[in-house]
Amino acid sequence: EPEVTQTPSHQVTQMGQEVILRCVPISNHLYFYWYRQILGQKVEFLVSFYNNEISEKSEIFDDQFSVERPDGSNFTLKIRSTKLEDSAMYFCASSGPLVWEAFFGQGTRLTVV
Amino acid sequence: AQTVTQSQPEMSVQEAETVTLSCTYDTSENNYYLFWYKQPPSRQMILVIRQEAYKQQNATENRFSVNFQKAAKSFSLKISDSQLGDTAMYFCAFMKHNTGNQFYFGTGTSLTVIP
Repeated sequence: EPEVTQTPSHQVTQMGQEVILRCVPISNHLYFYWYRQILGQKVEFLVSFYNNEISEKSEIFDDQFSVERPDGSNFTLKIRSTKLEDSAMYFCASSGPLVWEAFFGQGTRLTVV
Repeated sequence: AQTVTQSQPEMSVQEAETVTLSCTYDTSENNYYLFWYKQPPSRQMILVIRQEAYKQQNATENRFSVNFQKAAKSFSLKISDSQLGDTAMYFCAFMKHNTGNQFYFGTGTSLTVIP
């Protein structure tokens, strides 16, 4: 069964450092998403990406965040200068022609120290 | 704006019994999708069941079924014959009927199945 793959599973970084979270969506999917879940809280939308550009973003997704699909297979989330409050589980998701059928990756746990 | 409310932060059920998780939502949209996602301790988000708002018939998926009340904006999940593997966090989610749109998640209900 196809799946969304995220790497790394856990990343620890120092405050102020840049991090890149990586995702390999399902190969024939067209829509890509990043969500985050702060421990004990609900899953929050960050950004959606379609046709090589951002289609929607939330107020959380400020100038410190960026997304890229550099090579047609990977989908990355970059945080330029991490803050303590960026510590969370980050989920990548993708969906295909059936846009409602979104598949989530296993998540990357980001810890900012 | 769309909001999703899950009023039961924690629930428990005896193995083999039936449990219902509640979800209400608020939207001005007429066409949308509703979902229940399961998040086991592994933290992966797994789709349990989906409902299209234009369909009156309640969705079912094996032991999982929903009670969709569009006028009341209610979307509850019923789990029959509960199994230990059903222990997880359950999130109700909403998505508008446009392409590439975001999910709006509720705060989740932590379900424990007791042997």
